[in-house]
Amino acid sequence: GAVVSQHPSRVICKSGTSVKIECRSLDFQATTMFWYRQFPKQSLMLMATSNEGSKATYEQGVEKDKFLINHASLTLSTLTVTSAHPEDSSFYICRPSMAGGETQYFGPGTRLLVL
Amino acid sequence: GQNIDQPTEMTATEGAIVQINCTYQTSGFNGLFWYQQHAGEAPTFLSYNVLDGLEEKGRFSSFLSRSKGYSYLLLKELQMKDSASYLCAVGNYGGATNKLIFGTGTLLAVQP
Repeated sequence: GAVVSQHPSRVICKSGTSVKIECRSLDFQATTMFWYRQFPKQSLMLMATSNEGSKATYEQGVEKDKFLINHASLTLSTLTVTSAHPEDSSFYICRPSMAGGETQYFGPGTRLLVL
Repeated sequence: GQNIDQPTEMTATEGAIVQINCTYQTSGFNGLFWYQQHAGEAPTFLSYNVLDGLEEKGRFSSFLSRSKGYSYLLLKELQMKDSASYLCAVGNYGGATNKLIFGTGTLLAVQP
């Protein structure tokens, strides 16, 4: 299967700060990146879809100015949670995909705790 | 809209067989995925069905009926390590790649 990494794996920050999460596809070129979040005891919710070199498309209810997504290269996408608040505490997971290729593998996730 | 339903929790005995059902209503269907997720970890891919019928992979099998909007995951010879959440996800073709929409997940507890 595809090799996907995320960094950091875990982060604790103060309310009001911004946090950047990196997702890398290590063995294939990800033309598309899907970002999900998962609150405790809930399922995965798709936040946004980004194509390399283009602006991300956000799902209904997800604030694009709060969750900044950059997909500048085929191997790296970043999600920045701006001015994080305790309600943003969640498990953030990426899923890289390429056209006509494997699309089913997730990154290991980043657990964010905002105090 | 999209609607994916699974039972919230199930309990089974070590060595037994368990079937986890998933029903869905969605547009642009492009496959049904099953994932396993242990607490605190990311989901792990288990199976993918795009055509009707049964796909077998070791102790795990997955079935799909597109006309009924129905799938199930069958786990045989249950082991304690199979205790996890099992997520059903529908592939929704959005251009070049699949957008996965997840059900609520089924928390399976395997007891000795």
